[in-house]
Amino acid sequence: QQQVKQSPQSLIVQKGGISIINCAYENTAFDYFPWYQQFPGKGPALLIAIRPDVSEKKEGRFTISFNKSAKQFSLHIMDSQPGDSATYFCAASMLNDMRFGAGTRLTVKP
Amino acid sequence: NAGVMQNPRHLVRRRGQEARLRCSPMKGHSHVYWYRQLPEEGLKFMVYLQKENIIDESGMPKERFSAEFPKEGPSILRIQQVVRGDSAAYFCASSRDSLNTEAFFGQGTRLTVV
Repeated sequence: QQQVKQSPQSLIVQKGGISIINCAYENTAFDYFPWYQQFPGKGPALLIAIRPDVSEKKEGRFTISFNKSAKQFSLHIMDSQPGDSATYFCAASMLNDMRFGAGTRLTVKP
Repeated sequence: NAGVMQNPRHLVRRRGQEARLRCSPMKGHSHVYWYRQLPEEGLKFMVYLQKENIIDESGMPKERFSAEFPKEGPSILRIQQVVRGDSAAYFCASSRDSLNTEAFFGQGTRLTVV
């Protein structure tokens, strides 16, 4: 049973545009929601994370929006750059368990 | 301040051989998690360990796969009698506390079974 659903599967954005990736979770026991960025041949790197007591967290060009009632959260990349081209994974975590979304392959065209 | 270290980075095994994958967590981290990633796919949870204890192995196949995290030394993921379907990238992550805090990944071990 897929506990974290991520969309879209792939995304193409022009340089300077906004990239938006969405995730939905099922288990209300999840209480920590990180996003990871993965480049080909590399391990996933923690990008930004949020807890359900806040609705938004911003770090530089990256923003997480969190909707607890809808059990949804999203990653917004402002002013997208070609160097942002990577696969992005959302995750939902609780004690002793972390589930990943299937990933979104982002391509930012120059 | 080294990150999570995995070795080897690449491992080639013939069908029927054993594969041993090592993971040294970040300094001060006592929780280790192993994930498997097939090409073009997401990360699948395999096992969660603390020092000398397996906490959750619900994602690990019951046969041929085992994991340990001894009191001293790295965590080991062992795959016995490998088959072609075991070819994948295996990542480990570590965290200071339980999973609902920051977890950091290693660079992965890419296993190829020929």
